[in-house]
Amino acid sequence: QVQLQESGPGLVKPSETLSLTCTVSGGSISSYYWSWIRQPPGKGLEWIGYIYNSGSTNYNPSLKSRVSISVDTTKNQFSLKLSSVIAADTAVYYCARSLSPVAGYDYWGQGTLVTVSS
Amino acid sequence: EIVMTQSPATLSVSPGERATLSCRASQSVRSNLAWYQQKPGQAPRLLIYGASTRATGIPARFSGSGSGTEFTLTISSLQSEDFAVYYCQQYNNWYTFGQGTKLEIK
Repeated sequence: QVQLQESGPGLVKPSETLSLTCTVSGGSISSYYWSWIRQPPGKGLEWIGYIYNSGSTNYNPSLKSRVSISVDTTKNQFSLKLSSVIAADTAVYYCARSLSPVAGYDYWGQGTLVTVSS
Repeated sequence: EIVMTQSPATLSVSPGERATLSCRASQSVRSNLAWYQQKPGQAPRLLIYGASTRATGIPARFSGSGSGTEFTLTISSLQSEDFAVYYCQQYNNWYTFGQGTKLEIK
């Protein structure tokens, strides 16, 4: 059974960089698309971006200037960096898997709350 | 950006009855649409993809229909565990979600 687990700081100061890692267990990180999705408290879901195991990426145009997603296949992990954060970036951040870029997300991490505050 | 609009925002239904949730896209997404269920404090769970295909392990009481801009999720006989928030998501042109429909017990 594939499992995803997010990790990283729960509190980030404004203007700093948010960094999260998703560890994939129970299966290989190869040959799938790995996404980051966030959900502000009490609100809906927003796709941030994805990476394919080859390292190719695609980002939400509204966040593209601040987002970077990378993969470490040796550790079965992929990571998110979001720079110059503001209070509006406060959200539960999920990592998720899809079989292709034209597919739903079949496995999700439990999510991790990141608060942007000084 | 394709805007996904779900209706109603809240739906009150009695256990054992049928629930019908709607999702409209601002432009055609063909059949590139998924439905998710989210319970408090949990990650979303994939129910339907390709507008009408049930994901692995999803009970047959969940069904999806539609294509283009109009989509429907139907739960044929509501069980207690079905009361949750439901989201539609298009993956035809980038990826956007609806704002959700909260299905509550009547």
